Formats: sequence, structure tokens, C-alpha cells
Amino acid sequence: DTEVTQTPKHLVMGMTNKKSLKCEQHMGHRAMYWYKQKAKKPPELMFVYSYEKLSINESVPSRFSPECPNSSLLNLHLHALQPEDSALYLCASSQDNVAVNTEAFFGQGTRLTVV
Amino acid sequence: LAKTTQPISMDSYEGQEVNITCSHNNIATNDYITWYQQFPSQGPRFIIQGYKTKVTNEVASLFIPADRKSSTLSLPRVSLSDTAVYYCLGGMDSSYKLIFGSGTRLLVRP
Repeated sequence: DTEVTQTPKHLVMGMTNKKSLKCEQHMGHRAMYWYKQKAKKPPELMFVYSYEKLSINESVPSRFSPECPNSSLLNLHLHALQPEDSALYLCASSQDNVAVNTEAFFGQGTRLTVV
Repeated sequence: LAKTTQPISMDSYEGQEVNITCSHNNIATNDYITWYQQFPSQGPRFIIQGYKTKVTNEVASLFIPADRKSSTLSLPRVSLSDTAVYYCLGGMDSSYKLIFGSGTRLLVRP
């Protein structure tokens, strides 16, 4: 199983809502990532978890809150988002946190629309 | 952090060979060069990775000269389904971030 599964595939939420994005992998990878991607732009790194601990936060606003309950799961909790937060949110995993020298596997993403 | 530079876009026709070059002038000694492919509304997909000289797999070839300051992704006999954005990643900082550059938008025409 070389899949990274993200749910939901699409999400529409209001600015006062609280929602969560989920990501799951069963490849035994110990590094997991959240990316945000706007249209026609490259993926932009948000968070990196290494061995279930947050190792990188790319100065992401606190309305985005990551969580890694176990080595297979990664969540992104959303609260009080703005319309400009609408984007494709991608989860990825790799064998360890030496991300550039190994293959990273990406999920299909969650298309988020904030209204 | 090694910055990569690629052409913004390229056009090709079905059946042609496409070569996309990436420059990574300050790549570190122990860093690899990795290429990813991304289709619209999908996550990037690993294509190929190399350290030096030439690497080939069932999808592509990667050519890296001795100075490793650039690399060329070669896609043989492209088809319409190869229309995608191709990202070159080279190097990392001490935090081991996987950072994407601007990418090359390849359009394959019939």
C-alpha cells in the first residue's frame, strides 16, 4: 500500500466554522507534511511532523492547527478561516525527515472553499 | 537553501522527446536532485531522483553533469497525458524541508 489518503476530497466551510482535514498512510513513514497550494502556484509547506512531533511550522497562522495522533494519522484543524485560505491542501509522507533525499508520497488533496 | 530555477512553461507535440533543465547552483555535496510531476487537482508524484551522471527508469531519464549545478529531465516520446507541471527539487536546509520551486508547465499538443 503506497497510498496517502486524504478526507474529505472537497470541503466548503463558513468563516465561523470549525472543521478538520484528515490524512492517513500505512507505509510506516515517520515524516508527514501539510502543504497549501493555490491555483497555478507550487505547493507551499505549512507543517512537518517527524516521529509524531511537530518539527517545522512555517509561520502558519494559528487558525490552522495540526495534530498527529499516531504515526499513521495527521489532522489539520481549521477554525475561523478567511476566504483567502481557500486552496488545495495536500498531505505527504516520507520514510524519514530527510525529505529531499527520499521519495515523498502525496495524497490527492482536499479542495477547501471558505465562504 | 538551494534555490532551483526552471523554465516557466514549455510546449511540445505528441511523440517528441522533451528535455526540461533545472539549475541549482548552490546544491550541497550530499544532496540529491528529485523531480515531481503534478496534474491539476492532484498531489505531486515522484518521477525520478539522482545524484550524478545519468539515471533512467520506466518513465524518464535524469542527466546530471559533473558539477551538479544543473540537471535535465528527459521525457521520451511524450503523449497528451504528460501535460502537467514538473518540479525540480535540489538541496535542503538544516530542517530537511521539502520545498517546491516554481515548476515547469508542460503542454503536449496533438
